[in-house]
Order: sequence, then structure tokens, then C-alpha cells
Amino acid sequence: EAGVTQFPSHSVIEKGQTVTLRCDPISGHDNLYWYRRVMGKEIKFLLHFVKESKQDESGMPNNRFLAERTGGTYSTLKVQPAELEDSGVYFCASSPGLGRTQYFGPGTRLLVL
Amino acid sequence: AQKVTQAQTEISVVEKEDVTLDCVYETRDTTYYLFWYKQPPSGELVFLIRRNSFDEQNEISGRYSWNFQKSTSSFNFTITASQVVDSAVYFCALCMDSSYKLIFGSGTRLLVRP
Repeated sequence: EAGVTQFPSHSVIEKGQTVTLRCDPISGHDNLYWYRRVMGKEIKFLLHFVKESKQDESGMPNNRFLAERTGGTYSTLKVQPAELEDSGVYFCASSPGLGRTQYFGPGTRLLVL
Repeated sequence: AQKVTQAQTEISVVEKEDVTLDCVYETRDTTYYLFWYKQPPSGELVFLIRRNSFDEQNEISGRYSWNFQKSTSSFNFTITASQVVDSAVYFCALCMDSSYKLIFGSGTRLLVRP
């Protein structure tokens, strides 16, 4: 069974540009989560989808971040316009149910110059 | 408030030594889940174990063992006879039934020297 996949693995962009990160969860997992770890800080929750609905988006830092999960399968996280402080590693995770184990993807390393 | 504290920022041991990674959590929820994840140098987060708040039974898996004590709000992780391949950053995390997001500790970097 394939694990959580994320694309791209790395992205280097300039301040003000747009970047879109993609996450494909484990097949059959209705719950999808985004987290990020900025330099020197802890891994922080961004948001949680149940199928295509946003269950909790309390961790989204500001309106420059937009997450979607059309059709309840893969998800995208768009940052527009990117700022220097957005640099970090963005992790996606999925789980088969609420409170169940979350399995993580390899992360996308974003560097904003 | 919910919080996870991993007071050990970095630990260095020589191969074959035993090492314990500490994790202390805070929550007012009565139902919650605790996790340990391993982040090897390649960067991915690898799930190691999940415990429910109502199950304080300790667990052993090969060289790994976990000690869950609700009385001290701790969920410590011990590696017996450490190996170089155990070198990684280890994260403890908390998840409440009231909100299914993971709250991570700051991680403990373990270096096992040959």
C-alpha cells in the first residue's frame, strides 16, 4: 500500500511568488492534515480535512494560505504571495478516522528568498 | 492548555548504551492519545507508537519500550542497546478527542556514536 506522498520535495521561490504544494493521502483515508515546521520551531498544525470539508483550520497563519481538497482525494496548499517567514518544511498526514494514527508524508521543503 | 514538553534537546550516546527520551504532556481532556514519531536524516516522520489515555499498559517492541504514567503525565521512550541507525530526531505528540490535531514536542535529537 502506498504511503502519503507529497510534491514537490523541494521548492525555492522568491518573495512575492506563488507556490502550490500537493499531498496525496493513503488510499481510503478520509482525514487529511497539514502541518509545518519553520526553522528552529516546533511542528505546528495548519488544518484538517474530513473528506472535502475543512474540519479545523485554526492553525492557518493568515489569508495568504489557501488549502483545498476537491473530491476528497488529494489536497493542495497554496501560498500566495509567499513571504520569507513561510520558509520551512510542510508535512501532510492522513488517517483512516478521527483519533486514529496519522501517517506522514516526506514533507516539502520550501525556501522563500 | 495542551502542551508537550521534551526537555532533552540533544542526547549523545555510544552504541549499545541504553537511552531514555523523556516526554511530559499537559491536557485537561480525559480522552487523549500519545504518539512517538522518528525523523531520520532523510526527513520523513515515521510513526512508532500510539497509546490511548485509558490504557496505561507499557509496551515493548524489540529494542524499543514505552512507559506511560498518567500520574506524572509522562510517556517516556527507551531504546535498549542503541545502534547507529537509531540516530534521528524523536518527537512526542499529543492528540485530544476534542480536537484531532497533533500537538508536538520540540523533539529530541539522538546521536548514537559507533
